Amino acid sequence: DSGVTQTPKHLITATGQRVTLRCSPRSGDLSVYWYQQSLDQGLQFLIQYYNGEERAKGNILERFSAQQFPDLHSELNLSSLELGDSALYFCASSVQGSGTEAFFGQGTRLTVV
Amino acid sequence: AQSVTQLGSHVSVSEGALVLLRCNYSSSVPPYLFWYVQYPNQGLQLLLKYTSAATLVKGINGFEAEFKKSETSFHLTKPSAHMSDAAEYFCAVDHTGTASKLTFGTGTRLQVTL
Repeated sequence: DSGVTQTPKHLITATGQRVTLRCSPRSGDLSVYWYQQSLDQGLQFLIQYYNGEERAKGNILERFSAQQFPDLHSELNLSSLELGDSALYFCASSVQGSGTEAFFGQGTRLTVV
Repeated sequence: AQSVTQLGSHVSVSEGALVLLRCNYSSSVPPYLFWYVQYPNQGLQLLLKYTSAATLVKGINGFEAEFKKSETSFHLTKPSAHMSDAAEYFCAVDHTGTASKLTFGTGTRLQVTL
């Protein structure tokens, strides 16, 4: 158990809909990262938040957004869903610093039908 | 730009045999390199990381990796494979050292046979 909690574990939704994925980081970790794992794109970094502020952005679509709340949990919002958005979405957290390890949650498997 | 290339999407070894999973990196600055393992229906677990200290890095579960700058490689090895090692392994690079914006390779699925 990494200490990073993601809910829900599975999500099935229709095209055009909007969903919210939730992540609770390890106790004491200020950074949260979101990654997408799909068959065609592999593992891709989406976005990082540090202590409530956006810190780094990767290949995140404009239809996707994220935020980190004062209690440090984070939400990834995916809207106008397309079939190609079906993927495993991972959240990771770390203590900001040099060479620090990112601890990954078990992921949310999103299926868009 | 930084990237990693994992040679071989599938590797099969016999139980007790040497495990060698290959990773080559490309980075314009000194990289931080990581190996992660993903078991079925699980998240990613860090096996080991290179952060410019010792070039031979020992990780969990008997795995180790050697950073070779001249070959731009960071291959993962284990002397004797166990059935429980069957999983997918990802090499990743991050030049910031802060575990942000990890760039992952495409992964190598390790199969261990009797």
